[in-house]
Amino acid sequence: KAGVTQTPRYLIKTRGQQVTLSCSPISGHRSVSWYQQTPGQGLQFLFEYFSETQRNKGNFPGRFSGRQFSNSRSEMNVSTLELGDSALYLCASSLVAAIPYEQYFGPGTRLTVT
Amino acid sequence: AQKITQTQPGMFVQEKEAVTLDCTYDTSDQSYGLFWYKQPSSGEMIFLIYQGSYDEQNATEGRYSLNFQKARKSANLVISASQLGDSAMYFCAMREAMEYGNKLVFGAGTILRVKS
Repeated sequence: KAGVTQTPRYLIKTRGQQVTLSCSPISGHRSVSWYQQTPGQGLQFLFEYFSETQRNKGNFPGRFSGRQFSNSRSEMNVSTLELGDSALYLCASSLVAAIPYEQYFGPGTRLTVT
Repeated sequence: AQKITQTQPGMFVQEKEAVTLDCTYDTSDQSYGLFWYKQPSSGEMIFLIYQGSYDEQNATEGRYSLNFQKARKSANLVISASQLGDSAMYFCAMREAMEYGNKLVFGAGTILRVKS
């Protein structure tokens, strides 16, 4: 079974631009979560999508948004990029109905904002 | 809200020896789950082991075992017979229930270096 895939793996943008990251979950997984990882703040939850609906959102500004498609693939978008948005963005998928709800992570997209 | 504390920023271990990575947690929930993930330099988070709060036995997965002490609120990861490929960042995490679904709350991580 193929794992979680994320594209692109690396991205360099300038301040003020916007960016879209993509995540394809493991086949059959309907829940997709996004996390931001930075040296200063560690791993922080961004949002979770299930059945094309955002179910939960972390404490991030409205510049961070996302969506999920009918095939469970998800995209996240960051508008008006700031230097502090430089981070590793990790996507995770899970089988919602199955305890322990373990999340399987993709390789991440490393975003650098200059 | 849940909180995970990993007090060891970095650890060294000799190849083939065992190592324990510490994790303490704070929660008011009776039902919870604890996870350990490994993150190599490539960035991908690899699931290692899970312990449920009602599990009576400590979880084990190959060379990984979880020393779960509920009264002390600790969930330490034990890696036996360390290998060079075990060098990575290790994160302890707890599942936090949200209005719908769950999220993971992570500790700050411990960098493990295995010496030959």
